Amino acid sequence: QSVVTQPPSASGTPGQRVTISCSGSSSNIGSNYIYWYRRLPGTAPKLLIHSNNQRSSGVPDRFSGSKSGTSASLAISGLQSEDEADYYCAAWDDSLNGPVFGGGTKLTVL
Amino acid sequence: QVQVVQSGAEVKKPGASVKVSCKASGYTFTAFYMHWVRQAPGQGLEWMGWINPESGGTNYAQRFHGRVTMTIDTYISTAYMELSSLRSDDTAVYYCAPSLTAHFDYWGQGTLVTVSS
Repeated sequence: QSVVTQPPSASGTPGQRVTISCSGSSSNIGSNYIYWYRRLPGTAPKLLIHSNNQRSSGVPDRFSGSKSGTSASLAISGLQSEDEADYYCAAWDDSLNGPVFGGGTKLTVL
Repeated sequence: QVQVVQSGAEVKKPGASVKVSCKASGYTFTAFYMHWVRQAPGQGLEWMGWINPESGGTNYAQRFHGRVTMTIDTYISTAYMELSSLRSDDTAVYYCAPSLTAHFDYWGQGTLVTVSS
């Protein structure tokens, strides 16, 4: 069980806005940047958001990140079928001296 | 451009060991830790540990202590991850990725390790 918690699933219809939450603690999200990754089946994770709210190169502005205290969220607006994937949050954990990943959220576009 | 290339798929029997390699290019190899992350079927991403290519120092996730060994060959810019006493639940795709934080811009393509009798 991960020390950083995400809902296991989320869903929305095309065009909708969905948010995925990520909850941690003072040793990880509370004191370090949050990152968001998307993983499609059979491929390596791809960085979407870095440094809490900065989009990685080539990521459309439909994706946005935010952080408050020990929680963070990823918002996807104008949902598209190609957004269907697994999404992971990650942050450095000062106690572990390494990164921790959320358990992942499977996004389904209905 | 940065490239991270891992060794090919492996099939091992329970109790055996596996060693996965990860060759990096396109950046100063000693400037970033090399992390290892795995994903078992139906599970999430799990960080296993990192190795500092400059010093050889390591930090392993607690659950892998005693079973994982990460090494480095700076002359060929290659990192290795060896996992011993394999069990069926070690069946996973193993990734390497260079970073000093949780910011992973580049990942290896992944190495599928299957543990089966």
